Amino acid sequence: GQSLEQPSEVTAVEGAIVQINCTYQTSGFYGLSWYQQHDGGAPTFLSYNALDGLEETGRFSSFLSRSDSYGYLLLQELQMKDSASYFCAVGNSNYQLIWGAGTKLIIKP
Amino acid sequence: NAGVTQTPKFQVLKTGQSMTLQCAQDMNHNSMYWYRQDPGMGLRLIYYSASEGTTDKGEVPNGYNVSRLNKREFSLRLESAAPSQTSVYFCASSEGSPDTQYFGPGTRLTVL
Repeated sequence: GQSLEQPSEVTAVEGAIVQINCTYQTSGFYGLSWYQQHDGGAPTFLSYNALDGLEETGRFSSFLSRSDSYGYLLLQELQMKDSASYFCAVGNSNYQLIWGAGTKLIIKP
Repeated sequence: NAGVTQTPKFQVLKTGQSMTLQCAQDMNHNSMYWYRQDPGMGLRLIYYSASEGTTDKGEVPNGYNVSRLNKREFSLRLESAAPSQTSVYFCASSEGSPDTQYFGPGTRLTVL
């Protein structure tokens, strides 16, 4: 089967750094994607890793280890607007994205 | 560019009624997707269309049908709505691979 696991909730302080982990089990792995979704909004694409290593986009970075079936999203210099749910998703050989249940990030001032 | 648009934004149906959710994208993307999202959960794929003229079932296709009308438009039909289909429905599109998808604003559907 295919499944992804990520923490249901993470709490951090404004200005700090937070890491959201994702472990996956899937057949025909193509890459790991991260999406952000604010309450009442639509998911928006953040980053994608097809190869091992770290990808950096501004305050956000994403890491992948294919041998460990593991990745994480790193958010630096947290701002209140970063309060949202973050989803990891993996692409498979059936041309589909399989989604995790999401991590709700709560940021305290 | 509007990106991905969906209509309607909100809908209330009675059990057994039918309706069609509309989706259109103006990014010339080949692939389009329909998802449902239940409270506190991730997205589940209902149907997708890898290219114009093709459609395939996703994880939860029962009770739904789709039509890829042309490259821009991908509609989702509920033939006989059930309370279990109360959810938020998102349409998305991607250039080629499914990894980078662009989403519409969603349709909030309640079935009584």
